[in-house]
Amino acid sequence: DGGITQSPKYLFRKEGQNVTLSCEQNLNHDAMYWYRQDPGQGLRLIYYSQIVNDFQKGDIAEGYSVSREKKESFPLTVTSAQKNPTAFYLCASNWGTNEKLFFGSGTQLSVL
Amino acid sequence: AQSVTQLGSHVSVSEGALVLLRCNYSSSVPPYLFWYVQYPNQGLQLLLKYTTGATLVKGINGFEAEFKKSETSFHLTKPSAHMSDAAEYFCAVSGSGGTSYGKLTFGQGTILTVHP
Repeated sequence: DGGITQSPKYLFRKEGQNVTLSCEQNLNHDAMYWYRQDPGQGLRLIYYSQIVNDFQKGDIAEGYSVSREKKESFPLTVTSAQKNPTAFYLCASNWGTNEKLFFGSGTQLSVL
Repeated sequence: AQSVTQLGSHVSVSEGALVLLRCNYSSSVPPYLFWYVQYPNQGLQLLLKYTTGATLVKGINGFEAEFKKSETSFHLTKPSAHMSDAAEYFCAVSGSGGTSYGKLTFGQGTILTVHP
């Protein structure tokens, strides 16, 4: 079945550590997105990519980095510069011109 | 610039009662409007969307929403709540036009509780 796979489901970060969240899709979508979800705040856009080897900052990109070397993959790195990383991270994708987003099941990141 | 306000972070209804979740938006261009549902520890699933045309939009699971431009609203309704409707619901807006590309602005979410 086609879909978006996020891994791991739970992730713990130590002080000063960079961690990478995986997002893979087999829907042949051009565009991919990372959102951060905090309780009571809805979803906020971190980064998005419309095509391979290109990506743009969203509303809260500071402390995060991404790459888009393959159409299927859009990993998110939470760097040590992100001082409040505890959140639920959602990856999504679409064809770009179709506004419907398909979401993965998320990664819960916590700080040790 | 776009924004979404969902009125009420928690809504509680009895099974079989009307569900009404409120959403107001602001947008400098004609909006595309969406309602998504999220079950615990899962991603979001599209319930329905409004782009152009008919202002009353029907979605999955018996939900519908009406786009009211004069009121800048897009409230979600369901005539009769079911226990399986218990979830968190998000209203979202994006600009109409090619450059938006899924850059949705989400509301804060409304948790729906359904009592037997």
